[in-house]
Amino acid sequence: KAGVTQTPRYLIKTRGQQVTLSCSPISGHRSVSWYQQTPGQGLQFLFEYFSETQRNKGNFPGRFSGRQFSNSRSEMNVSTLELGDSALYLCASSWASEQTYNEQFFGPGTRLTVL
Amino acid sequence: AQSVTQLDSQVPVFEEAPVELRCNYSSSVSVYLFWYVQYPNQGLQLLLKYLSGSTLVKGINGFEAEFNKSQTSFHLRKPSVHISDTAEYFCAVTRNTGGFKTIFGAGTRLFVKA
Repeated sequence: KAGVTQTPRYLIKTRGQQVTLSCSPISGHRSVSWYQQTPGQGLQFLFEYFSETQRNKGNFPGRFSGRQFSNSRSEMNVSTLELGDSALYLCASSWASEQTYNEQFFGPGTRLTVL
Repeated sequence: AQSVTQLDSQVPVFEEAPVELRCNYSSSVSVYLFWYVQYPNQGLQLLLKYLSGSTLVKGINGFEAEFNKSQTSFHLRKPSVHISDTAEYFCAVTRNTGGFKTIFGAGTRLFVKA
């Protein structure tokens, strides 16, 4: 079974631009979560999607948004990029249902550098 | 508010020695507990999980952890480490808040010396 894939693996953008990151979950997984990882803040939860609905959101500004498609693939968008948005963005999928949970499987991440 | 504390930021240890990585959490509701490992420039890999049942859980690569509800701890142990265990280890806590939200600890860098 293929793992979680994320594209692109590396991105370089300049301040003020916007960026879209893509995540393809493991087949059959309906829950997709996004995390931002930085040396200073560690791993921070961005949001979780389940069946195209955002169920939970972390403490990030509205510049960070996401969506999930009917095939469970997910995208994350960051508008008006700031230097502090430079980070490794990790996507994770799980076969969690509405009430039950299991572990998340992580993709390799997208390394975003904002210049 | 939910929080996860990994008590050691770095743990140096000699090869074949035992190791314990400590994790404490705070939550007023039932949680799911996980340990993940991250090698340089890679995503996270699950080591083990506690969802329910036996409080002693065994994972991959000889790791195990014990869930202690009264002390709200989930410490990770390995009786004999290898050089290849050198990596960053993350404790994570998930709870259902109408959707599942996972909080990670700051990580513990395990450095195994020959």
